[in-house]
Amino acid sequence: NAGVTQTPKFRILKIGQSMTLQCTQDMNHNYMYWYRQDPGMGLKLIYYSVGAGITDKGEVPNGYNVSRSTTEDFPLRLELAAPSQTSVYFCASSYSTEGVKNIQYFGAGTRLSVL
Amino acid sequence: GDSVTQMEGPVTLSEEAFLTINCTYTATGYPSLFWYVQYPGEGLQLLLKATKADDKGSNKGFEATYRKETTSFHLEKGSVQVSDSAVYFCALSDNFGNEKLTFGTGTRLTIIP
Repeated sequence: NAGVTQTPKFRILKIGQSMTLQCTQDMNHNYMYWYRQDPGMGLKLIYYSVGAGITDKGEVPNGYNVSRSTTEDFPLRLELAAPSQTSVYFCASSYSTEGVKNIQYFGAGTRLSVL
Repeated sequence: GDSVTQMEGPVTLSEEAFLTINCTYTATGYPSLFWYVQYPGEGLQLLLKATKADDKGSNKGFEATYRKETTSFHLEKGSVQVSDSAVYFCALSDNFGNEKLTFGTGTRLTIIP
């Protein structure tokens, strides 16, 4: 099973450029999430989605956009890259039903540098 | 709001040593508690979980007990191996139909042979 797949693994952007981080899952999970992980810090939630067509802001949404047109895909868009967005980005998914909640499955991450 | 506090790292131990990584939390109600592990170059993986007070989660020789009275969920292992070298994250979910996780800052563990 592929699980959660993120692309690309690494990327360097110039200030002001835009890019989309791709995330796809093959587990038919209803919830999907985007986190960023800064050095020495825990994971901060950027956006999440409870199902196709529904997205909501997390703790640090500024400078990012998301969409969820299908159950499988949850791309993260950076419109005007800034050095403060240099980070490692993780996508995750989960399937929440009564009694089985919040076991999130993570992708391998995208390391992004904005110079 | 909810928060998770972990012991500062990095932690370096010799193989076969006893491990404790402290984790305390602040939350309303009765959260579920988790330990995730991140091996080098990989995403996070669930290590163990506990969903109510006095529950003990266990996996791969690691254990953690949900202590409501001390709001703690400390991770322990009796004899660590080099392969346990990783970053460990404590996390909680508030169980109010909110599926979001709140993470601690992580503790980097290095085991030397």
